[in-house]
Amino acid sequence: QVTLKESGPVLVKPTETLTLTCTVSGFSLSNARMGVSWIRQPPGKALEWLAHIFSNDEKSYSTSLKSRLTISKDTSKSQVVLTMTNMDPVDTATYYCARTTMYRGYSYGIYYFDYWGQGTLVTVSS
Amino acid sequence: QTVVTQEPSFSVSPGGTVTLTCGLSSGSVSTSYYPSWYQQTPGQAPRTLIYSTNTRSSGVPDRFSGSILGNKAALTITGAQADDESDYYCVLYMGSALFGGGTKLTVL
Repeated sequence: QVTLKESGPVLVKPTETLTLTCTVSGFSLSNARMGVSWIRQPPGKALEWLAHIFSNDEKSYSTSLKSRLTISKDTSKSQVVLTMTNMDPVDTATYYCARTTMYRGYSYGIYYFDYWGQGTLVTVSS
Repeated sequence: QTVVTQEPSFSVSPGGTVTLTCGLSSGSVSTSYYPSWYQQTPGQAPRTLIYSTNTRSSGVPDRFSGSILGNKAALTITGAQADDESDYYCVLYMGSALFGGGTKLTVL
């Protein structure tokens, strides 16, 4: 049974750095074609992809937030960590981690989020 | 900057058919973007419906189908039911992932 669970602070102050941890079970972070993405959703707004990391340590970041984000993984702990610097009230959102399956073949490919955590609400306020 | 476009809202009658689309602010959507679709009800995490343009995720009923229509990805719901009333998001992959703005589907 695949599960993902987000953990981290519920409240951060403006300009602080947010550190979120996604703990996974039911699969290994060393599995080929499997990785973890971070996705957020401000209250009442759309989902926004932030970053992903795969078993071969391939990483990618949202173009608009790239300068503020760092994603890493600890395979032995089954954890993926996202840090976001210089937090602002507009970063208030529910942050989700999601298992991401990717396969890039010659004539066929896959990239999607097949399992999601329950999400964690992070509020940015002084 | 590339933007993924979706209809902000749509309504369908119970039992009816609706097609939601997913486009690009510039250019055409093709299977090379590996389009995927997600359903979200208020207060819940998204649920995966379709990946790789037209492959249904496990447990998704066959009244949900995906395709490329013209220059957009499309999600078609055939025989809409009351509990299909949700927000629907598409995702396109282009080295990084981009969500569309979502479509709020009303069934009435």
